[in-house]
Amino acid sequence: EAGVTQFPSHSVIEKGQTVTLRCDPISGHDNLYWYRRVMGKEIKFLLHFVKESKQDESGMPNNRFLAERTGGTYSTLKVQPAELEDSGVYFCASSQDVPGAFDNEKLFFGSGTQLSVL
Amino acid sequence: LAKTTQPISMDSYEGQEVNITCSHNNIATNDYITWYQQFPSQGPRFIIQGYKTKVTNEVASLFIPADRKSSTLSLPRVSLSDTAVYYCLVGDSNNDMRFGAGTRLTVKP
Repeated sequence: EAGVTQFPSHSVIEKGQTVTLRCDPISGHDNLYWYRRVMGKEIKFLLHFVKESKQDESGMPNNRFLAERTGGTYSTLKVQPAELEDSGVYFCASSQDVPGAFDNEKLFFGSGTQLSVL
Repeated sequence: LAKTTQPISMDSYEGQEVNITCSHNNIATNDYITWYQQFPSQGPRFIIQGYKTKVTNEVASLFIPADRKSSTLSLPRVSLSDTAVYYCLVGDSNNDMRFGAGTRLTVKP
């Protein structure tokens, strides 16, 4: 079974440019999460999709960030225009049911996208 | 939201047992407690999950007291490769899984 895949693994862009990160969850997983880790600090929640709907996007830092999940399959996270403080590692995770509310349900994480804004 | 509190860091030596405690005073009745492990340059990885009392798998044990306001992850006989950040998460009614700061465990030879 393929795991959660993220693309690209690394991205280096200049301030003001646009970057789009992609996440392919495990097939059949309705729940998809985006997280960000900035400069070795704690992992911050960004948003949560249930299928194609945004269940919670309260963690999105500002309107320069746009997340989509077309057809409830893969998801993209676009940063436009990118700022220096957007640098960090962006993680995607998926689960079939709600992790933590069902026995033995858990998040499966991708390896992350390292974003560097210069 | 059921907020979690963990020690920022811990040091141990190879072969020792390590216990990391997480406080979650506002845990809801239906919430499960889940622990994840993260190595540098990787995404977090599931370790263990429990609801009450004790859960054990091939890598760790999880102890949860009757009031469920805390939980303790126990790693038996740690090795250098167990050096990582360990996160305690508690499921909440909004279904958004938020990480705390985690505990950075350093295992020394």
